[in-house]
Amino acid sequence: DVKVTQSSRYLVKRTGEKVFLECVQDMDHENMFWYRQDPGLGLRLIYFSYDVKMKEKGDIPEGYSVSREKKERFSLILESASTNQTSMYLCASSFSYRGPSSGNTIYFGEGSWLTVV
Amino acid sequence: GQSLEQPSEVTAVEGAIVQINCTYQTSGFYGLSWYQQHDGGAPTFLSYNALDGLEETGRFSSFLSRSDSYGYLLLQELQMKDSASYFCASLGGNTGRRALTFGSGTRLQVQP
Repeated sequence: DVKVTQSSRYLVKRTGEKVFLECVQDMDHENMFWYRQDPGLGLRLIYFSYDVKMKEKGDIPEGYSVSREKKERFSLILESASTNQTSMYLCASSFSYRGPSSGNTIYFGEGSWLTVV
Repeated sequence: GQSLEQPSEVTAVEGAIVQINCTYQTSGFYGLSWYQQHDGGAPTFLSYNALDGLEETGRFSSFLSRSDSYGYLLLQELQMKDSASYFCASLGGNTGRRALTFGSGTRLQVQP
């Protein structure tokens, strides 16, 4: 079974703190993603990476950065946490697109609930 | 850009059939996927349509019409465990074929 593991399930941080969310996948996937999930807004893409050291902005990158030093690991960094970053953060991974028959399957971790106070 | 629209909530009774619609606008299109998410859990892949028509997987079916920019997820013989949020998603848009854009989700409540 594919395993995407997020290091922390629940975190409480103070405004202005630097926050690291770690994610590891064990399927040798090329792509890794960070999404943010808020009620009524669905899943919004923050950043993604299609290779080691490569990263691309998603729809809501402001206030976030990422790091991918190894293929299996993708980190989300909040340089200075703010209360509007209180949310659930979902990491995911997938193989690169291999054509229509390969589908659009990505595998999610269990999520990290971050509260910024 | 890219956007996917779906109803926010649907209610149905056990044993019934329910359809969750999704309309999309995208520049570049590489198929429509459906994901299920139970409260407190991770989204999991349900179904994918690359071409027009119906795809069936057990009690779940998914339909796509590219000419109408429309798809739906059909759940038959509803069970209480089907109570969850359902998201349509597609590649394309600003990220090309690399990242999925999700709709805002439809919360399905199955009542006894």
